[in-house]
Amino acid sequence: DAGITQSPRHKVTETGTPVTLRCHQTENHRYMYWYRQDPGHGLRLIHYSYGVKDTDKGEVSDGYSVSRSKTEDFLLTLESATSSQTSVYFCAISSRTDSQETQYFGPGTRLLVL
Amino acid sequence: AQKITQTQPGMFVQEKEAVTLDCTYDTSDPSYGLFWYKQPSSGEMIFLIYQGSYDQQNATEGRYSLNFQKARKSANLVISASQLGDSAMYFCAMREDLSGGSNYKLTFGKGTLLTVNP
Repeated sequence: DAGITQSPRHKVTETGTPVTLRCHQTENHRYMYWYRQDPGHGLRLIHYSYGVKDTDKGEVSDGYSVSRSKTEDFLLTLESATSSQTSVYFCAISSRTDSQETQYFGPGTRLLVL
Repeated sequence: AQKITQTQPGMFVQEKEAVTLDCTYDTSDPSYGLFWYKQPSSGEMIFLIYQGSYDQQNATEGRYSLNFQKARKSANLVISASQLGDSAMYFCAMREDLSGGSNYKLTFGKGTLLTVNP
């Protein structure tokens, strides 16, 4: 499972409140990602990080910000939650060997915005 | 433009039989990678198999194999000897390079829901 944990695993919040989701990894991976999953879609990239304090936007980044102050932690913040941000959020890391590359995913966080 | 297409929203297979899940992709990049993930009802995303565009042989991992037909731009997942525990959503994904060369994101298809019947 590549040592990835996410917290919280479930959250219910109200529209307009800020929310922070945490991704923690224990294997010193350089690249980390936040995806969201919605019905009828696969996963879509929100933001990614290629090192401490190095982050960039993905395809659905509006309304989200991220921070990475340590290699092991990648935080996703919904600045002012909206109902359209109700989703399942997955954190991922990239792992590459000579023969194979893979992204491993955390267990996911289910967020409900009322 | 849709880059990963999974045309089968749902598939049924009898236990112990083989099943093929279809995936076609579109890219102009000569270097790319294709992935399959399994998502059971519990929700986690489980990596199954990877195929690089320059790999000469089709990838295999236990009961999973990837039927890679480069000219047709297809990367179908074959599950042999289906088990009840194979019932899940299956996603095909393609690597797209991000800035820096060694960084990439995955672009996913919409998935195929496989049901294995006893």
